[in-house]
Amino acid sequence: DVVMTQSPLSLPVTLGQPASISCRSSQSLVHSNGNTYLSWFQQRPGQSPRRLIYKVSNRDSGVPDRFSGSGSGTDFTLKISRVEAEDVGVYYCMQGTQWPPWTFGQGTKVEIK
Amino acid sequence: QVQLVESGGGVVQPGRSLRLSCTASGFTSSSSVMHWVRQAPGKGLEWVACMWSDGRNTYYTDSVKGRFTISRDSSKNTLYLQMNSLRPEDTAVYYCVKDDGTFGGSWGRGTLVTVSS
Repeated sequence: DVVMTQSPLSLPVTLGQPASISCRSSQSLVHSNGNTYLSWFQQRPGQSPRRLIYKVSNRDSGVPDRFSGSGSGTDFTLKISRVEAEDVGVYYCMQGTQWPPWTFGQGTKVEIK
Repeated sequence: QVQLVESGGGVVQPGRSLRLSCTASGFTSSSSVMHWVRQAPGKGLEWVACMWSDGRNTYYTDSVKGRFTISRDSSKNTLYLQMNSLRPEDTAVYYCVKDDGTFGGSWGRGTLVTVSS
């Protein structure tokens, strides 16, 4: 199974400042079709998860452009250019290249300082 | 728009069974890959099972193989998760998730399953 490792696990941030979450996979996430199936999900307190980013860097509809994804192979990053209060929650990376199983990172809790 | 509504959760004793349902609207669930994902209290996300759009291919995480069965009723646009021989470690919120070519385009609100004596 592909193991997804996120860091940090806790991220206190100041409103208006940038934030960055790292995600590393134990194996390359490049599929034989050339795509890389790495997604990022946001889970606000008390809510279901919501996908923000798919295939490394594609933002889902309605996701603010302050969220961006990057990376390749085994190293990936989610960046928030300017953190807003509504960004508080837990963020998960997930791989969908080598399945089953689809596997998630442990989650990174973003909170306001 | 796409909507997924889970139901069927509750409190059940270890060793007993429970069937979860996920009623879809806004799309035809039988033409999509559909997943179940769970989240134990205070913990992270864990993929549990999926059913391919052909209805024949199903996949399970190792810890539920032989105990859980994913199925669907196309006439009701509903996905199911039959859970047998439940264990305390199966306690979680269970989410129904739609795959839109990439995992996780739409999620339901979840249904809580508590396995306890």
